[in-house]
Amino acid sequence: ETGVTQTPRHLVMGMTNKKSLKCEQHLGHNAMYWYKQSAKKPLELMFVYSLEERVENNSVPSRFSPECPNSSHLFLHLHTLQPEDSALYLCASSQGPNTGELFFGEGSRLTVL
Amino acid sequence: GIQVEQSPPDLILQEGANSTLRCNFSDSVNNLQWFHQNPWGQLINLFYIPSGTKQNGRLSATTVATERYSLLYISSSQTTDSGVYFCAVLYSGGGADGLTFGKGTHLIIQP
Repeated sequence: ETGVTQTPRHLVMGMTNKKSLKCEQHLGHNAMYWYKQSAKKPLELMFVYSLEERVENNSVPSRFSPECPNSSHLFLHLHTLQPEDSALYLCASSQGPNTGELFFGEGSRLTVL
Repeated sequence: GIQVEQSPPDLILQEGANSTLRCNFSDSVNNLQWFHQNPWGQLINLFYIPSGTKQNGRLSATTVATERYSLLYISSSQTTDSGVYFCAVLYSGGGADGLTFGKGTHLIIQP
């Protein structure tokens, strides 16, 4: 079993749909992250959670709603997205917020029609 | 925020060649990682190297934190080394900004 698992790997949704991305880490880490990777742009940090508390929201539009029910699981709820939100969404975890080595999941590739 | 610049942006080499990828950063850091992004998008950890030198097989990395740069060396390149290599740093000045990534070096190894 890999350290950080993301589902689904691929998602196509319309602008009026509601969907969720799921991330699970099996490394015993206390911090989890959502990053966004768009074409031709560096990876951008979206959210940071430490022990289920959100510690960073990097000016992300409210159509992206994170949820961290426990230290092993992280969700990204999506609603009324725009085509420009199409991107690779990567989940990561580390020992603590901004502490230790960061490990990434395989990513969820999102296409908004 | 902290700036991360990687060079070169693109690199095309023949199989068997050696290469050096560079990462410059604009401020002091307490974490620096090198990743290889495979064709499916996953970021594979190569090195966690805030300072010093590490080696793993054909790959090695050196970070000189006082001079704000890191180098990734790939020796005897193979076609499977192709992909995008990212450097990412964590600013040591506090805050919860997470890792800041460079734009990457796109490496193509031709047979």
